[in-house]
Amino acid sequence: SQTIHQWPATLVQPVGSPLSLECTVEGTSNPNLYWYRQAAGRGLQLLFYSVGIGQISSEVPQNLSASRPQDRQFILSSKKLLLSDSGFYLCAWSVRLGTDYGYTFGSGTRLTVV
Amino acid sequence: AQTVTQSQPEMSVQEAETVTLSCTYDTSESDYYLFWYKQPPSRQMILVIRQEAYKQQNATENRFSVNFQKAAKSFSLKISDSQLGDAAMYFCVNFGNEKLTFGTGTRLTIIP
Repeated sequence: SQTIHQWPATLVQPVGSPLSLECTVEGTSNPNLYWYRQAAGRGLQLLFYSVGIGQISSEVPQNLSASRPQDRQFILSSKKLLLSDSGFYLCAWSVRLGTDYGYTFGSGTRLTVV
Repeated sequence: AQTVTQSQPEMSVQEAETVTLSCTYDTSESDYYLFWYKQPPSRQMILVIRQEAYKQQNATENRFSVNFQKAAKSFSLKISDSQLGDAAMYFCVNFGNEKLTFGTGTRLTIIP
């Protein structure tokens, strides 16, 4: 079965420090991978998605970047965090199964920038 | 571009009663899926129910059912026999062109 691992679960970082959040998927190959951010009390906003190794699409201009060094690994990074980067970050994957889609979220990372 | 609108920021229902959450969407895709996700305080996203746009029959999962009106671009969720564990934030979601688009959510409170 497919599983998705996201870490860390909680992170407190000072303004100006770097960021690296990692997401890995098991049990599937060539998935689409996604990073979402959820501000307090709001829906999810798509930040980045990737349809293959090294292929990254950015949905919203911001202080963050994403990379996909391996098929089942997706990394969210920042060189210098801003206060506005605080939020709940979710990784997700999707895979087409014939005419159907599988879609699963990770457990999320709560990032607080202080 | 895809948009999803949930016009009810908060709803409440008496335990064991029925409640309907509203959702409208807009998309230029001909092939898409619609979901309702539940997010409890743990913030884990939990799939409640899904509907393929090409299927006319409304999806049903135990106490959860949808009213999918494709021409009107409406996708409401009905929860029957509400239980305390149903309390959560509910998101209507459109999946098309490889991306999920979320509504702003409806916070559902269950009154014992």
